[in-house]
Amino acid sequence: KQEVTQIPAALSVPEGENLVLNCSFTDSAIYNLQWFRQDPGKGLTSLLLIQSSQREQTSGRLNASLDKSSGRSTLYIAASQPGDSATYLCAVYSNAGGTSYGKLTFGQGTILTVHP
Amino acid sequence: DGGITQSPKYLFRKEGQNVTLSCEQNLNHDAMYWYRQDPGQGLRLIYYSQIVNDFQKGDIAEGYSVSREKKESFPLTVTSAQKNPTAFYLCASSIRPTSYEQYFGPGTRLTVT
Repeated sequence: KQEVTQIPAALSVPEGENLVLNCSFTDSAIYNLQWFRQDPGKGLTSLLLIQSSQREQTSGRLNASLDKSSGRSTLYIAASQPGDSATYLCAVYSNAGGTSYGKLTFGQGTILTVHP
Repeated sequence: DGGITQSPKYLFRKEGQNVTLSCEQNLNHDAMYWYRQDPGQGLRLIYYSQIVNDFQKGDIAEGYSVSREKKESFPLTVTSAQKNPTAFYLCASSIRPTSYEQYFGPGTRLTVT
């Protein structure tokens, strides 16, 4: 059974700092890994998606890496801003087992606070 | 505007009452999903539907029921059998069951007292 863990559970940093969020998963047989952002009381917004054959993806100040063999991904946020404050969720898409369909398995999230 | 709508945003119920959460999408997506989110936990899959008139249990289906009579709609009923119903509920859809790209609604926060 796939399990996804995110460290740290919460992170508070001053504005301008570079930071790294970590995600690990137990079964390396994944199709892809996604990073989502969730603002308080809201739905999820997809930030980055890395296919299993890729090593990293970049979007603006965000860079996500994937090491499938070790079951790890990191989300790097450069020059953090107060507007980056949110919960960041990692999710892996892997076979649901016994079906031809995949399934998203989520980590518990990292609550990021960037203070001015 | 295309997207997923969930209503209401906040819902309050007394213990022992069934309650139905609405999820509607106008994306013409085949697959729809219900997730539950508790504080400090990730999303957990309750039910999913790959096509109209078909649905399967997810990881935590006990105490919940769904229907999929129309492609656009996938309502979730939280029954009195659900021991801890207070949570944030998220609905999602994908263009087809094999697609990893899921689009999420804004969520409904259910509080049962």
